[in-house]
Amino acid sequence: GQSLEQPSEVTAVEGAIVQINCTYQTSGFYGLSWYQQHDGGAPTFLSYNALDGLEETGRFSSFLSRSDSYGYLLLQELQMKDSASYFCAVREGAAGNKLTFGGGTRVLVKP
Amino acid sequence: DAGVTQSPTHLIKTRGQQVTLRCSPKSGHDTVSWYQQALGQGPQFIFQYYEEEERQRGNFPDRFSGHQFPNYSSELNVNALLLGDSALYLCASSLAGGPYEQYFGPGTRLTVT
Repeated sequence: GQSLEQPSEVTAVEGAIVQINCTYQTSGFYGLSWYQQHDGGAPTFLSYNALDGLEETGRFSSFLSRSDSYGYLLLQELQMKDSASYFCAVREGAAGNKLTFGGGTRVLVKP
Repeated sequence: DAGVTQSPTHLIKTRGQQVTLRCSPKSGHDTVSWYQQALGQGPQFIFQYYEEEERQRGNFPDRFSGHQFPNYSSELNVNALLLGDSALYLCASSLAGGPYEQYFGPGTRLTVT
């Protein structure tokens, strides 16, 4: 079957660093994406890894290890506005942009 | 530059009725995907349209159907509504040739009573 596992909830204080892990088991794999979704809002794209290694975009970084079917999202210098749900999603086909999402990790940032 | 727009924002229907949701993709995008998101869960892929054809489909019954128009806008139709169809329906647009970043609309909140 297809599954993506990520922790359900993480709590941290402002200025801290949070790592959200994602392990996946899918029929195909062409890349791992991360999306952020605030309550009542639309998912917004954060990053995409097709190859092994670390991608850095400002305070957020994403890592992929295809051999381990594992990736993570690193949130640095946490701010209150980072309180949201974070989803990992696998792109399964070479053609088309079908995404299979994990259940999401709710991040709560405290003062 | 207009992003992805969806209408309506909220909808209340009765079991057995039919509903049509609409989506306009981000300017320049040619591919539209539809997702269903239940409360507290991740989005689930319904289907994707490209060049007015359904290109990929998730594990949803035939009650869920769609259409893409020449201007790339899209509709999602759900027949014979069930209580379990209550969810947030998200439309996402992208470019078929990449990059594979998907832009999501604000969604339509459907409540079936």
